[in-house]
Amino acid sequence: EVQLVQSGAEVKKPGESLKISCQGSGYSFSTYWIGWVRQMPGRGLEWVGLIYPGDSTTRYNPSFQGQVIMSADRSINTAYLQWSSLKASDTAIYYCAKTPEQWLISGLFESWGQGTLVTVSS
Amino acid sequence: EIVLTQSPGTLSLSPGERATLSCRASQSVSTTYFAWYQQKPGQPPRLLIYGTSNRATGIPDRFSGSGSGTDFTLTISRLEPEDFAVYSCQQYGTSLHTFGQGTKLEIK
Repeated sequence: EVQLVQSGAEVKKPGESLKISCQGSGYSFSTYWIGWVRQMPGRGLEWVGLIYPGDSTTRYNPSFQGQVIMSADRSINTAYLQWSSLKASDTAIYYCAKTPEQWLISGLFESWGQGTLVTVSS
Repeated sequence: EIVLTQSPGTLSLSPGERATLSCRASQSVSTTYFAWYQQKPGQPPRLLIYGTSNRATGIPDRFSGSGSGTDFTLTISRLEPEDFAVYSCQQYGTSLHTFGQGTKLEIK
């Protein structure tokens, strides 16, 4: 069974750094693109970007380029999303999600993590 | 960027009724790269439909998708109590994937 398990909720202050994680199991983690999706409170879904864990190739939504960094450690089947300096506007739930076809880049997400709530407040 | 606009914002129906949800794109979208997701409170989204009309694994056949160009529709033929949720459309055919803002389907 495919599972994506995300790290727990975080409460941070503006300007702090943060790295959240997404660990995959039940499939060949290295060969499927992983996406990140943001959901701000009471709002719709926004695509953040995609990473291929096999070689850490990334594709960013231009709106998030330079604001976050995606990375992956295929040795432990884990993808990461990190911020160097959080803002209050980063407050949201962040989901990781798996694409359906091996090797093929896609924005279609067939399996989702449970989400990580990030709260940024002074 | 392709903007997806969903209507209505909220749809109030009763179990057993038919639901028709609309998603309009700001420019033409390939039918190959159009999807619908369902999201219940406190849960992640769940893929319902991909490629405009293909049901994802385990999705009941009361859910169907249709459309082309800039107009796409999700139809739920007979609403079950578990179908009341938020539904979001998505296009993933361009380098910048986008979602609609969602339609909330609530019990009347």
